[in-house]
Amino acid sequence: EAGVTQSPTHLIKTRGQQATLRCSPISGHTSVYWYQQALGLGLQFLLWYDEGEERNRGNFPPRFSGRQFPNYSSELNVNALELEDSALYLCASSFGANSPLHFGNGTRLTVT
Amino acid sequence: QKEVEQNSGPLSVPEGAIASLNCTYSDRGSQSFFWYRQYSGKSPELIMFIYSNGDKEDGRFTAQLNKASQYVSLLIRDSQPSDSATYLCARGSSNDYKLSFGAGTTVTVRA
Repeated sequence: EAGVTQSPTHLIKTRGQQATLRCSPISGHTSVYWYQQALGLGLQFLLWYDEGEERNRGNFPPRFSGRQFPNYSSELNVNALELEDSALYLCASSFGANSPLHFGNGTRLTVT
Repeated sequence: QKEVEQNSGPLSVPEGAIASLNCTYSDRGSQSFFWYRQYSGKSPELIMFIYSNGDKEDGRFTAQLNKASQYVSLLIRDSQPSDSATYLCARGSSNDYKLSFGAGTTVTVRA
């Protein structure tokens, strides 16, 4: 069974640009989650999608947005990049609320 | 008050000993609890999950949940150097549609 896949592995952007990160969940999983993990810090909840709908978002500005496609894959967009957006962005999938999350390998975003 | 708090580390234990990790949570409506292991530079991997009060054992790992005390713990028996990692506690609820993580406890197993 293929795990959660994320692309790209690394992404280097300049301040003010936009970044798009992609995620494919485990087959059969309908929920996709996005987390930010800045260096040395814990996992900060960004977004939760389930069945194509945004169910919840964390305490992040509106320039962090995303969507979930009919095939349950997901995209995270970060507009007007700032230096502090540099972090590991982790996508995870599950069968839904209260089910274990399975993480992808992450996308390392560097903003210069 | 943080949603999930873990005992401060780092925790250093000798090989073969028991490592004990603790976690408390603030939301009494929490229904599901998870322990993840994260090696440096890698993504978190699921170790165990527990939904009911009591103990749950899986190999060298035992998770303990006490909902009345809002407390969940993880015991690692016969610790091995390969267990050296950061351990993350998480809680979930169908009320708030998110899985909240603690800051993690770094464990080092000394050979």
